[in-house]
Amino acid sequence: GAGVSQTPSNKVTEKGKYVELRCDPISGHTALYWYRQSLGQGPEFLIYFQGTGAADDSGLPNDRFFAVRPEGSVSTLKIQRTERGDSAVYLCASSSPGLTDTQYFGPGTRLTVL
Amino acid sequence: AQSVSQHNHHVILSEAASLELGCNYSYGGTVNLFWYVQYPGQHLQLLLKYFSGDPLVKGIKGFEAEFIKSKFSFNLRKPSVQWSDTAEYFCAVTAISGGYQKVTFGTGTKLQVIP
Repeated sequence: GAGVSQTPSNKVTEKGKYVELRCDPISGHTALYWYRQSLGQGPEFLIYFQGTGAADDSGLPNDRFFAVRPEGSVSTLKIQRTERGDSAVYLCASSSPGLTDTQYFGPGTRLTVL
Repeated sequence: AQSVSQHNHHVILSEAASLELGCNYSYGGTVNLFWYVQYPGQHLQLLLKYFSGDPLVKGIKGFEAEFIKSKFSFNLRKPSVQWSDTAEYFCAVTAISGGYQKVTFGTGTKLQVIP
C-alpha cells in the first residue's frame, strides 16, 4: 500500500475485555514501531520490531500488553484485561532499517475502554 | 534516556505573523532531531529532520529549524504563517541505540492561526 494502515480506526470496549489492534506497514519496511498517545501528550514508544523479532519492548507498560509480527510484515498489538487507563490512540510507524530513515506513521487506532 | 521539552502548549497567531516554537532536548550522545505535524483529522507527518551537517534545516511548506548544539535546542520557525498551518506540532529526538531509532516526542504545541 501507499502508506501505513491501521485497523480498526476506532475501538470501544469494556473494562476487562481483550483487544487486538492491527498495523500494516509500508511494503518493504522491515522496521516497525508501536506508540501510544494519550490525551494532551506526545506519542510514547511501546515496542520496536526488526523483522519478526521484538528488538526492544521496553516501552510496554505491563504484561497485559503484547505484540507480534509473525511474518515480518503485519503486526498486532494485543491488550488483555483492558483498563480505563489504556484509553488512548495507538500509533504504528514503519521505516527502512537505516539509522537515518524516516518513520512513517499510520492514522492510529483510538481505543476507548469504558 | 533522552527527553524533549516543548515550551508552548498553545499558540495563537494571526495570518502573516512569524512563528517560532521552542524545543529543547536532553541527551548526552548523538541525536537525530525531527519536527512532526498533525493537521486536524490527519496522521502525523514529517515536517523536517536533522541528522548531521548544516544545522539550519529547511522543511516542507516554508518551515525551517535550527539545531544549536550548545543550547540543546531545535526550534521551529516560519516567517509568515497561513491559516492552513493550524495544526499540532511535535518535536522529537532519537538516540541511536542498538542500531535503531527510538523516538521520544515532546508533548506538542497546538498552533491556531486566525485568518
